[in-house]
Amino acid sequence: GQSLEQPSEVTAVEGAIVQINCTYQTSGFYGLSWYQQHDGGAPTFLSYNALDGLEETGRFSSFLSRSDSYGYLLLQELQMKDSASYFCAVNTGFQKLVFGTGTRLLVSP
Amino acid sequence: GAVVSQHPSRVICKSGTSVKIECRSLDFQATTMFWYRQFPKKSLMLMATSNEGSKATYEQGVEKDKFLINHASLTLSTLTVTSAHPEDSSFYICSASKTAGGADTQYFGPGTRLTVL
Repeated sequence: GQSLEQPSEVTAVEGAIVQINCTYQTSGFYGLSWYQQHDGGAPTFLSYNALDGLEETGRFSSFLSRSDSYGYLLLQELQMKDSASYFCAVNTGFQKLVFGTGTRLLVSP
Repeated sequence: GAVVSQHPSRVICKSGTSVKIECRSLDFQATTMFWYRQFPKKSLMLMATSNEGSKATYEQGVEKDKFLINHASLTLSTLTVTSAHPEDSSFYICSASKTAGGADTQYFGPGTRLTVL
């Protein structure tokens, strides 16, 4: 089977740094993506890693280790608007995405 | 760029009726479109992959006769839920990709919340 495991919930305060981990086991792997989804809204693309290492995009960074089947999303300088669900997703081939279980991030003042 | 729209955003229907959901790529041609289903506070589950001009590829466990997908043009894909039942109530989300393979980003529509009474 295919599985992507994430913590179910993470809490943090404004201005803090938080890391959301993702471990995966899939039949194919072309890259790891991260998406943000606010309640009732559509997933929005945050970042993509095809190769090992760190990708930085503003306050968000994403890391991938293919040998460990592991990645994480790092959110810095947290803001209230960052409260949302975050999903990792593996491109298993032909653009098919398998999504992780999702992590609900709660940012408090 | 890369905007995807869905219509309707919400729909309520009676059990036994059919509902059509449209997914459009507004500013690009989508070689491939995908349909997902999401239950409350759960992850997105891929239902099917739709390529323009060819039959959709359904994921295991998804009834192709119940969830009819048509990808008639490079900017439009439709999902029809036939003979809907309350257990079909869910959030349906489409996404579109500019390429047919590789590592391109998928662009998601805003979703359609279906409630079957």
